[in-house]
Amino acid sequence: SSVLTQPPSVSVAPGETANISCGANDIGSKSVHWYQQKPGQAPVLLIYYDSDRPSGIPERFSGSASRNTATLTISRVEAGDEADYYCQVWYSSSDPEVFGGGTKLTVL
Amino acid sequence: QLLLQESGPGQVKPSGTLSLSCTVSGGSITSSNYHWGWIRQPPGKGLEWIGSISYLGTTFYNPSLKSRVTISIHPSKSQFSLQLSSVTAADTAVYFCAGDFRHHFFDYWGQGNLVTVSS
Repeated sequence: SSVLTQPPSVSVAPGETANISCGANDIGSKSVHWYQQKPGQAPVLLIYYDSDRPSGIPERFSGSASRNTATLTISRVEAGDEADYYCQVWYSSSDPEVFGGGTKLTVL
Repeated sequence: QLLLQESGPGQVKPSGTLSLSCTVSGGSITSSNYHWGWIRQPPGKGLEWIGSISYLGTTFYNPSLKSRVTISIHPSKSQFSLQLSSVTAADTAVYFCAGDFRHHFFDYWGQGNLVTVSS
C-alpha cells in the first residue's frame, strides 16, 4: 500500500468542481506533484511544486497543500477530464519517490 | 521538448532478467537539470517508481526493488537502461522511462513498453 493516500474514486457532474485529495503525515512540508493518466497513455504532469502548472495545462487545474493533505482541484469539469489522477512526492535521496494509489475521476 | 522512447523485449521468462533501454532526444541526456527514471504500472494498477539515475551515474532505487535493479546511463548513445533480475509474474507491467526534473518530478514520459513475464 502507498504512503500517500488517495480516494479510489471521485464522481462529479460536468461543469462542477472536483477535489482529489492526497494525504500523508506532514505532506505540507514536501513538494507535491500531480499527474493525469488516460487509458492506454503515459501519465501527464499536471501540477508541480504543489500549485505550479506546466505550459499547456488549463487554468481549470489547480493544486494546494496543507499540513497533512494536498488537493488537486479541477474546476468546470469536462467529459475529457475523465482519467486517473496520481499525486507524487519526493522525500529524500534515501527514500523512494512515492506515488499515491491513484484516483479514478468519473464525469457523470 | 524532450522525447523519450523505450525499447526492449515484450516478454521475459520467469527467473530471467528484464532489460529495457530508453533513448532521449530533443535535449541532452547530460543536462544537470535532469535525472532519468523508470516507473512501472502493472495491468489495472497504479504507478510504482523503480529508480532514477543522474547524468553523473548516481543511482536512486526503490528499496523494495533495490536488490534486483540496475539502472545505468550511456551518454554517448543518449540512452539509459534498466535491468531487473529474477523476474516473476508480479513484474508484468508497462514500464515507462521518464525525465526526472532535478529528481523532483517527472515532466517527460516515454509511451511505455508492456513487458510480460511468462514461459
